[in-house]
Amino acid sequence: QQQVKQSPQSLIVQKGGISIINCAYENTAFDYFPWYQQFPGKGPALLIAIRPDVSEKKEGRFTISFNKSAKQFSLHIMDSQPGDSATYFCAASIGLTGGGNKLTFGTGTQLKVEL
Amino acid sequence: DADVTQTPRNRITKTGKRIMLECSQTKGHDRMYWYRQDPGLGLRLIYYSFDVKDINKGEISDGYSVSRQAQAKFSLSLESAIPNQTALYFCATSDLDTEAFFGQGTRLTVV
Repeated sequence: QQQVKQSPQSLIVQKGGISIINCAYENTAFDYFPWYQQFPGKGPALLIAIRPDVSEKKEGRFTISFNKSAKQFSLHIMDSQPGDSATYFCAASIGLTGGGNKLTFGTGTQLKVEL
Repeated sequence: DADVTQTPRNRITKTGKRIMLECSQTKGHDRMYWYRQDPGLGLRLIYYSFDVKDINKGEISDGYSVSRQAQAKFSLSLESAIPNQTALYFCATSDLDTEAFFGQGTRLTVV
């Protein structure tokens, strides 16, 4: 059972356009929602994260929109650049006793930004 | 030097062989994790450890075992490798509610 569903599987955007990746979760106990970016040959790296007490978080060109009632969250990349071409994973976790994040990942979105 | 180092980076092994993947970190974090990445499936948690005396199963622990030799070292073993364990394996560390830091991965092929 996929607890975090991610779409689309792949995405092609023109340079300067907006990239939008969506995720939906089932477990209402999740309390931390990060997005990870992965380049070929590298491990995932944290891009931006949000807690469910806010509906939006923006860091530079990257924005997370969070809809708690719908159990959905999305990543928006404004002014997409070729250097943004990567695989993006949404994730969710429950704060573990004593802290630490046991992440449940979405299936990933391969983003390609074309010139 | 990388904060999270995995060895080897690539490995081809035969069915039935025992193999160990190693992970070391310089972040000073107590929490360490092993994930497996497969195309179309994302990353799935195999095992995690809060400290040297703590080992916990993740969602796909069957066929795997781990050892936490020290705060900085967490190894993953496949006692008898099978072809469907062919995947990209990642080690990660975190501290309390901070982000997880991933290694560069080990690409394992079981033939």
